[in-house]
Amino acid sequence: EAGVTQSPRYAVLQEGQAVSFWCDPISGHDTLYWYQQPRDQGPQLLVYFRDEAVIDNSQLPSDRFSAVRPKGTNSTLKIQSAKQGDTATYLCASSLMGRAETLYFGSGTRLTVL
Amino acid sequence: GDSVTQTEGQVALSEEDFLTIHCNYSASGYPALFWYVQYPGEGPQFLFRASRDKEKGSSRGFEATYDKGTTSFHLRKASVQESDSAVYYCALGPYGSSGNKLIFGIGTLLSVKP
Repeated sequence: EAGVTQSPRYAVLQEGQAVSFWCDPISGHDTLYWYQQPRDQGPQLLVYFRDEAVIDNSQLPSDRFSAVRPKGTNSTLKIQSAKQGDTATYLCASSLMGRAETLYFGSGTRLTVL
Repeated sequence: GDSVTQTEGQVALSEEDFLTIHCNYSASGYPALFWYVQYPGEGPQFLFRASRDKEKGSSRGFEATYDKGTTSFHLRKASVQESDSAVYYCALGPYGSSGNKLIFGIGTLLSVKP
């Protein structure tokens, strides 16, 4: 069984540029999460979906960040105008409803904003 | 709000040493507690969980006991190997109306010398 796939693996931007991250969860997992992991810190939840619906996006900086999961499978996280403070690894994870506490993470996208 | 505290930022050991990584939590409810492990270049992996007071979780020689009295879930291993070198995260949850949210600690970097 394939794991959670993320791309790109790395991204380097200037401040003000836009970037998108893509995630393909484990087949059949109905719940998908985006976490932000700054250097030397633990993962911090940005947003999560059940199927195509956003369940919680309270930690997503809505003025610059957006996330979609249009068909309830793959998902895209976009930063409209990146800031240096956005430098972090962006992790996607998926799980099954009813086993929500066991998250399966992808390898992440390491973003550097210069 | 609810939180997890890991007191050691880094732990350096030699092979066959005994490991303890401390985790204390603060929660208004009665959360489940988790340990995740993250190897370089990868996303965090679920290690094990415990859901109630005095329950012991274990996996791959690691173990921890849920202690509601001391609000702790310390990770222990009797004899570490070089391959155990990684970052270990304590987490609690799940939260949210759909019960899918985990809160992670800052992580403890374990380095094991051969």
